[in-house]
Amino acid sequence: SQTIHQWPATLVQPVGSPLSLECTVEGTSNPNLYWYRQAAGRGLQLLFYSVGIGQISSEVPQNLSASRPQDRQFILSSKKLLLSDSGFYLCAWSVKEFPSSYNEQFFGPGTRLTVL
Amino acid sequence: GENVEQHPSTLSVQEGDSAVIKCTYSDSASNYFPWYKQELGKGPQLIIDIRSNVGEKKDQRIAVTLNKTAKHFSLHITETQPEDSAVYFCAAKKVGRRALTFGSGTRLQVQP
Repeated sequence: SQTIHQWPATLVQPVGSPLSLECTVEGTSNPNLYWYRQAAGRGLQLLFYSVGIGQISSEVPQNLSASRPQDRQFILSSKKLLLSDSGFYLCAWSVKEFPSSYNEQFFGPGTRLTVL
Repeated sequence: GENVEQHPSTLSVQEGDSAVIKCTYSDSASNYFPWYKQELGKGPQLIIDIRSNVGEKKDQRIAVTLNKTAKHFSLHITETQPEDSAVYFCAAKKVGRRALTFGSGTRLQVQP
């Protein structure tokens, strides 16, 4: 079966510090990968998605970047964190079934980031 | 782009009662509508989904209905239990788009 891991689970960082969040998927190959952010009490906002190694698409302009150095590894980064970067960051994966659009997304446990 | 609205934002029911959460979407090309349940401090879990070629789908105590003409879909939970308490999100996606558009969530509380 497939599993998705995220770490760390929680993180407290000062403003201006760098960030690196990691997500890995097991039990599947060549998945689509996604980074979402969830602000407190709000819905999920898509930040980035990737259809393959080195292929990143950004949904919204922001202070963050993403990379996919390996097939099942997805990294979210920042050079200098802002207070507004605080939130719950979720990684998700889906199988690649083009041209079907019915690709269910499965979420990881999330990382709670607090920027002080 | 797609816009998904979800109501209510909070819902409190007595154990054993039914709960209904409603969502509307803006893009008539959307054809996939999943529902996620998120427990405190955890990632969302897919609980049921419906595709545009059907009007209703059931899985034990949960069901989802879709009205494509009106562009709305609903989640129905019958015989609610305290463990159903969580935040529920609806979402929509259309052909050719890889990402889901989520509603703002409904916090369901089932009172024992």
